Amino acid sequence: GQNIDQPTEMTATEGAIVQINCTYQTSGFNGLFWYQQHAGEAPTFLSYNVLDGLEEKGRFSSFLSRSKGYSYLLLKELQMKDSASYLCALMDSNYQLIWGAGTKLIIKP
Amino acid sequence: IAGITQAPTSQILAAGRRMTLRCTQDMRHNAMYWYRQDLGLGLRLIHYSNTAGTTGKGEVPDGYSVSRANTDDFPLTLASAVPSQTSVYFCASSDTPGTSGTDTQYFGPGTRLTVL
Repeated sequence: GQNIDQPTEMTATEGAIVQINCTYQTSGFNGLFWYQQHAGEAPTFLSYNVLDGLEEKGRFSSFLSRSKGYSYLLLKELQMKDSASYLCALMDSNYQLIWGAGTKLIIKP
Repeated sequence: IAGITQAPTSQILAAGRRMTLRCTQDMRHNAMYWYRQDLGLGLRLIHYSNTAGTTGKGEVPDGYSVSRANTDDFPLTLASAVPSQTSVYFCASSDTPGTSGTDTQYFGPGTRLTVL
């Protein structure tokens, strides 16, 4: 079967760096996605990893290790607007997304 | 370009009533999806369509039906609503998965449905 785990909630300080981890178990793998979801809004795409390594996009970076079933999202220079839920999702062998429950990130001044 | 629109934004429905949630996209994506999102759970796939004229069942299809008469529209119907279908429903679309290397799904704003 497939399983995705990520922390339920994290707290960080404005201007700091935070790493949100995601571990998964799957029999088929076609990529790992990270989405951001503000309260009451739709998920929006942040990043996609299909090969091992780090993908950097401005303040946000995402890392993947397929052998370890592990990914993380790194947010630098945190801003208050980064307060949101961050959703990890893996694309299975049928190209369907399996979603984690999300990590609620709280940013404090 | 609007992207994906959903209607209604929110709805309160009596149990047993029939309800259709509408979803329209203008990105010419072949694939479309319906998810429900419940507190403490990840998004769960209800039904999907990889191209106009075809549909498939996701993880939680019972009590729901879909149709895909054309590329742009993908309505979700609850034939006889029950309180356990109270949820936020998101429609999404993407290029045909596994073909172009761009499998990113783009989401509509959601419909908040309450069944009493």
